[in-house]
Amino acid sequence: EPEVTQTPSHQVTQMGQEVILRCVPISNHLYFYWYRQILGQKVEFLVSFYNNEISEKSEIFDDQFSVERPDGSNFTLKIRSTKLEDSAMYFCASRLANYGYTFGSGTRLTVV
Amino acid sequence: TQLLEQSPQFLSIQEGENLTVYCNSSSVFSSLQWYRQEPGEGPVLLVTVVTGGEVKKLKRLTFQFGDARKDSSLHITAAQPGDTGLYLCAGAQSGTASKLTFGTGTRLQVTL
Repeated sequence: EPEVTQTPSHQVTQMGQEVILRCVPISNHLYFYWYRQILGQKVEFLVSFYNNEISEKSEIFDDQFSVERPDGSNFTLKIRSTKLEDSAMYFCASRLANYGYTFGSGTRLTVV
Repeated sequence: TQLLEQSPQFLSIQEGENLTVYCNSSSVFSSLQWYRQEPGEGPVLLVTVVTGGEVKKLKRLTFQFGDARKDSSLHITAAQPGDTGLYLCAGAQSGTASKLTFGTGTRLQVTL
């Protein structure tokens, strides 16, 4: 069964450093998403991406965040200057129109 | 802000018992999805319900979408230890991006 692949599985970074979280969505999917889950809290929407542009973003997704789909297969989330409160599980997801989402296994980001 | 409240938050039952998890909102959703999430993993889609009043069955799991498309329920018959996990409901609004609003989650433990 097709999978959404995320790397790395765990990333530790110092506060103020830039991080790039990588995702390979399912190849024929059209919509791409990033969600995050702070430990013990619910899954929160960050951003959606369709037709090579952001279609919607949440209040969390401020100027420190950016997304790219540089080569038609990878989908990345960049945090320019990490803060302690960015520590969370980050999930990439993709879907084909009118179907349910497929989520990756997540990247656990720890900012120290 | 759309909110999805799940109840109960925690449920510990014995093998063979039946249970129902509720997912309630004051907002109308175009579809509602149920996921199961294991520790350290991403949510895995169980079912999507789209039509008000719709009932879907997945083996011992029965999912229902409320007539007004504001609420949903998950009923498990004869629970087994393998059903242990975190169950999440998530609502999608109509529109291209169809971001998901996740519920607060129900942690189920089934013991022998």
